[in-house]
Amino acid sequence: GNSVTQMEGPVTLSEEAFLTINCTYTATGYPSLFWYVQYPGEGLQLLLKATKADDKGSNKGFEATYRKETTSFHLEKGSVQVSDSAVYFCALSDSATGYSTLTFGKGTMLLVSP
Amino acid sequence: EPEVTQTPSHQVTQMGQEVILRCVPISNHLYFYWYRQILGQKVEFLVSFYNNEISEKSEIFDDQFSVERPDGSNFTLKIRSTKLEDSAMYFCASSTKKGAHEQYFGPGTRLTVT
Repeated sequence: GNSVTQMEGPVTLSEEAFLTINCTYTATGYPSLFWYVQYPGEGLQLLLKATKADDKGSNKGFEATYRKETTSFHLEKGSVQVSDSAVYFCALSDSATGYSTLTFGKGTMLLVSP
Repeated sequence: EPEVTQTPSHQVTQMGQEVILRCVPISNHLYFYWYRQILGQKVEFLVSFYNNEISEKSEIFDDQFSVERPDGSNFTLKIRSTKLEDSAMYFCASSTKKGAHEQYFGPGTRLTVT
């Protein structure tokens, strides 16, 4: 079956540090890949996505590249801010299992200090 | 900006009781979803709903669960006889298109079964 594995958190960084949150996946078909972010007290928000191999999704300074050869979709940001503190979820949708289903990782909490 | 809303934010109930979790999707959206996250575990798909019927459901969504769109705005999840293991955060989501690409999530309802 499909699965998504994310690095354990929390990830604690100082402002302006470089961020990487690792995500790897297992899928039966050709999935689309997503990063969602959840700020305290809010719902999950789509941060970025990539729908095919070698695509790069980017938004708000975050980016992630769909690497089929390593089945990975690592999230990166060159310089984090305090306001980036949130929980980040990697997810996939796989047309082989149904168009509606999002399969999520456990989430990684990011804490950025001034 | 339109958003998905959920009520209540926190529901405490006794084992064996019925609960109804309520969601108001974004008004022009046509596809509706419920997910849940047990503390410390992954966000899991429960069910999707379109055109007044269930499109897909996971194996978690057994006979104890039901969904309904009782009017033009609300989308509800009912658990008939709650168990301790139903304690989780429940997220509602909606989208304009079929598929996972543009799902908008609510802030969640924390259900605690005692």
